[in-house]
Amino acid sequence: SQTIHQWPATLVQPVGSPLSLECTVEGTSNPNLYWYRQAAGRGLQLLFYSVGIGQISSEVPQNLSASRPQDRQFILSSKKLLLSDSGFYLCAWSIGFNGYTFGSGTRLTVV
Amino acid sequence: DQQVKQNSPSLSVQEGRISILNCDYTNSMFDYFLWYKKYPAEGPTFLISISSIKDKNEDGRFTVFLNKSAKHLSLHIVPSQPGDSAVYFCAALLSGGYNKLIFGAGTRLAVHP
Repeated sequence: SQTIHQWPATLVQPVGSPLSLECTVEGTSNPNLYWYRQAAGRGLQLLFYSVGIGQISSEVPQNLSASRPQDRQFILSSKKLLLSDSGFYLCAWSIGFNGYTFGSGTRLTVV
Repeated sequence: DQQVKQNSPSLSVQEGRISILNCDYTNSMFDYFLWYKKYPAEGPTFLISISSIKDKNEDGRFTVFLNKSAKHLSLHIVPSQPGDSAVYFCAALLSGGYNKLIFGAGTRLAVHP
């Protein structure tokens, strides 16, 4: 069966520090991968998506970047965090159309 | 440009009664509509979906209705249970190379005894 792992679950980082969030998928090959963010009181905003290794598309301009070094690994990064980067970050995957399966999320607080 | 809108941020319903969550969309090219349920500090989980060629889909206590002419869909939960208390996201799918899923802002449902 397919599973998606996302870590860490919570993270508190100072402004200006770097960020690396990792997401891995098991039990499937060549999935589409996505990073979403839910800011406080807001909906789910699509940040990045990837249809294959090294292929990254950004939905909104921002302080973050994404990489896909392996088929089932998706990484969200920042060189210098801003206060506005705080939020709940979700990784998701899909194959064809079966909807999305989400990870358990990372609560990031930038202080 | 909000293509999927959930205009009610919250809804309170008594246990055993019907919960109706609403969603409006603007893009007539959406292929599927989905509802996700989210508990705090967890990822959303898929609840029910409907194809754009259907007008109703039912799964147990959950029914989704689609009115394409009004660009409106709704999720009915009956009877509502306290465990249904969560944030519900409406989402619309644009199929294509990466199957883009666009979410609404969510509605927080509280089911009280």
